[in-house]
Amino acid sequence: DAGVIQSPRHEVTEMGQEVTLRCKPISGHDYLFWYRQTMMRGLELLIYFNNNVPIDDSGMPEDRFSAKMPNASFSTLKIQPSEPRDSAVYFCASSSTGGFSTDTQYFGPGTRLTVL
Amino acid sequence: GEDVEQSLFLSVREGDSSVINCTYTDSSSTYLYWYKQEPGAGLQLLTYIFSNMDMKQDQRLTVLLNKKDKHLSLRIADTQTGDSAIYFCAESGAGNNRKLIWGLGTSLAVNP
Repeated sequence: DAGVIQSPRHEVTEMGQEVTLRCKPISGHDYLFWYRQTMMRGLELLIYFNNNVPIDDSGMPEDRFSAKMPNASFSTLKIQPSEPRDSAVYFCASSSTGGFSTDTQYFGPGTRLTVL
Repeated sequence: GEDVEQSLFLSVREGDSSVINCTYTDSSSTYLYWYKQEPGAGLQLLTYIFSNMDMKQDQRLTVLLNKKDKHLSLRIADTQTGDSAIYFCAESGAGNNRKLIWGLGTSLAVNP
């Protein structure tokens, strides 16, 4: 398996623009997580899905952030409008409840977002 | 609430052992994890320990779990420059919600 795939790897945009981050989880995984990592706040869970359904979005900073999972192999995190304080590395991770499984999460390489 | 704490920095000499410590609060955690993050990369599972175990060894890595004190440690024997990274401790969240509760990460610097 190719692992968790995220795109783009780097995104530079101007304040006020819409940003869409994409994630393809590992095939067969039924949980998908979106995280944000900054130096100041560390790793923050934004939202997670189970079987494409959002379970907990309490970490989403504000209404400018939205996430969707239209099917088991694709999720998006959208920021509209973007602000400089949204600059961070955004990670997607997936995990599986199949068989003998722990809560192990498998991370993608991340998207480094810079909002000017 | 649930919380995981780690020291932020550790510096060791190449060839020495490194010990990274972590404390957690949720005594019902089923699994505890160590993840490694190299510069510019995502987090990668290093090892995990089941909560009914005291110790787990995997090559140069030794994980010790003290459930009474809610203390987890990761020992890296014969530390190499390639071990320089950020190490995250995480515990399973309460219930069966698949969330992990993360520490802030310990930045390990290995000096030649």
